[in-house]
Amino acid sequence: AQKITQTQPGMFVQEKEAVTLDCTYDTSDQSYGLFWYKQPSSGEMIFLIYQGSYDEQNATEGRYSLNFQKARKSANLVISASQLGDSAMYFCAMREGRSGYSTLTFGKGTMLLVSP
Amino acid sequence: DGGITQSPKYLFRKEGQNVTLSCEQNLNHDAMYWYRQDPGQGLRLIYYSQIVNDFQKGDIAEGYSVSREKKESFPLTVTSAQKNPTAFYLCASSTGTGENSPLHFGNGTRLTVT
Repeated sequence: AQKITQTQPGMFVQEKEAVTLDCTYDTSDQSYGLFWYKQPSSGEMIFLIYQGSYDEQNATEGRYSLNFQKARKSANLVISASQLGDSAMYFCAMREGRSGYSTLTFGKGTMLLVSP
Repeated sequence: DGGITQSPKYLFRKEGQNVTLSCEQNLNHDAMYWYRQDPGQGLRLIYYSQIVNDFQKGDIAEGYSVSREKKESFPLTVTSAQKNPTAFYLCASSTGTGENSPLHFGNGTRLTVT
């Protein structure tokens, strides 16, 4: 079974609108962390936001927020006020356990296109 | 500026040749990782290293080898045994100090084998 599932291969949004990118995960660990990365066409991976399994508040970083629903095992990324520069691939990833040395497992990504 | 340097950006090789991808970091991070990215597949873990002179296989290690002789360097060799080596390769590092420590990535090397 896939550990990280991103069901939206592609999403379209108009500039200045909000968009939600879906991510569901599968783990039996009580301790885990969820990460979102952005990959522009140039290829580099940019870390956006982190949510720990024990965090009671949804994480926020500027225009990015994470809609964390633990019971549903979902960690959706919300981008508010989309900008043209937000057009990129977005990856959800999970680290299981509490060790910072543990590896990240990535989903297959969602391509976001922002139109003027 | 601190960061992760992968070189070269593009690499072309003939089938049957081994090729080594370079990854250097000056972030003083303990942990380093190699991922492979194919279209529509996301990132898949090849090898990782938590300390110098130690490394572990990831999910798709067959046909690859690594070394970690220095903290700053984690080169990846794609051997002729790798059946489908053409891909985008990403190196990453992490402090490993906390469960929330993200991976920091290099800009990647695009390998084409013909």
